[in-house]
Amino acid sequence: RKEVEQDPGPFNVPEGATVAFNCTYSNSASQSFFWYRQDCRKEPKLLMSVYSSGNEDGRFTAQLNRASQYISLLIRDSKLSDSATYLCVVGYSGGGADGLTFGKGTHLIIQP
Amino acid sequence: DVKVTQSSRYLVKRTGEKVFLECVQDMDHENMFWYRQDPGLGLRLIYFSYDVKMKEKGDIPEGYSVSREKKERFSLILESASTNQTSMYLCASNADNEKLFFGSGTQLSVL
Repeated sequence: RKEVEQDPGPFNVPEGATVAFNCTYSNSASQSFFWYRQDCRKEPKLLMSVYSSGNEDGRFTAQLNRASQYISLLIRDSKLSDSATYLCVVGYSGGGADGLTFGKGTHLIIQP
Repeated sequence: DVKVTQSSRYLVKRTGEKVFLECVQDMDHENMFWYRQDPGLGLRLIYFSYDVKMKEKGDIPEGYSVSREKKERFSLILESASTNQTSMYLCASNADNEKLFFGSGTQLSVL
């Protein structure tokens, strides 16, 4: 069974701090990686795709470590509005019903 | 702007009723998915479709069926709703292992 694991948290972080969390995956043949953000009672929304070379979008940086089979998300200068659940999604070759596997999410709370 | 539309945001049904959840996407995606999400359990795949009239079971297909008669529409059917099917139902679509686009979800309560 392909697994994607995340620390559920919650991570309680003061506003303005930097926070990072990881997501590990079990299938070394994984090809695509994403971070989604989900607010309470809302649908998940794509935050960013994760590329092999790592990528940055404003205050958010995503990294992929294939050797250790994890992806990470770093949030700098955290805002109150960053409070949400962050879902890691891993895509496996071949697609199909289990082509995309979700982690259960990491709950982040930014405190004033 | 790309869109996945679910027909109802909130739905209340009685035990034993037949329930239809409709999902429409306007991105010409081949793949469409139905998930349910419950506290502590994350997103669980119910059914998946990779083409018109094609479907595959996900992790928890029991008690559900699906229909995909047109590329843009993917329906989830609860033949006889039960209280343990109370959940948030999320429809999504994509093109082959690419990013998923989600509908806004249907919170179904079965009484």
